[in-house]
Amino acid sequence: DQQVKQNSPSLSVQEGRISILNCDYTNSMFDYFLWYKKYPAEGPTFLISISSIKDKNEDGRFTVFLNKSAKHLSLHIVPSQPGDSAVYFCAKGGSEKLVFGKGTKLTVNP
Amino acid sequence: EPEVTQTPSHQVTQMGQEVILRCVPISNHLYFYWYRQILGQKVEFLVSFYNNEISEKSEIFDDQFSVERPDGSNFTLKIRSTKLEDSAMYFCASSSVFSGANVLTFGAGSRLTVL
Repeated sequence: DQQVKQNSPSLSVQEGRISILNCDYTNSMFDYFLWYKKYPAEGPTFLISISSIKDKNEDGRFTVFLNKSAKHLSLHIVPSQPGDSAVYFCAKGGSEKLVFGKGTKLTVNP
Repeated sequence: EPEVTQTPSHQVTQMGQEVILRCVPISNHLYFYWYRQILGQKVEFLVSFYNNEISEKSEIFDDQFSVERPDGSNFTLKIRSTKLEDSAMYFCASSSVFSGANVLTFGAGSRLTVL
């Protein structure tokens, strides 16, 4: 039961441009979605979250958009930097456990 | 910044052997978790632990797995008789409160290789 789907396994962008990472979900019963970033040989690191009562949440270069009618959320990174190269996971939260998507590997080229 | 620490960083074991993975959660956190990631796959929930007992576990967390908080600071995952398919990266996580987004802080992981 894939509650959270990240259909793009990888994404490559140029430094300075916008990175858009997408996530779809199947169950409308949620309170929060979270985005985590993971570097090789490290644990996932929390980036940003959004509650179900919002359409947008912004934190510096990172913005998450929520489209409830389409059951879709996206993470925008602008401007993208080489240090942003990592695997990004969206996760359904607001309950005791997080349910992760499969992740999207972002590569930002200098 | 407070962090979750895990030991060992990498363990190699023979099939059928017992393995204990150790974690020191953030000191004022109350909720503890184990997740795992098989190479190339998603991060999967194994178990959550609160108030000295398991609060939720996944189908993966069968009788071969157990968790313990032996001394108020460590949180351990034991695999009694390892199988080849247990080879994965195991992540410990903790959170302070079960409310809002419930942001989990993860450790760097313990890589388990079962031969």
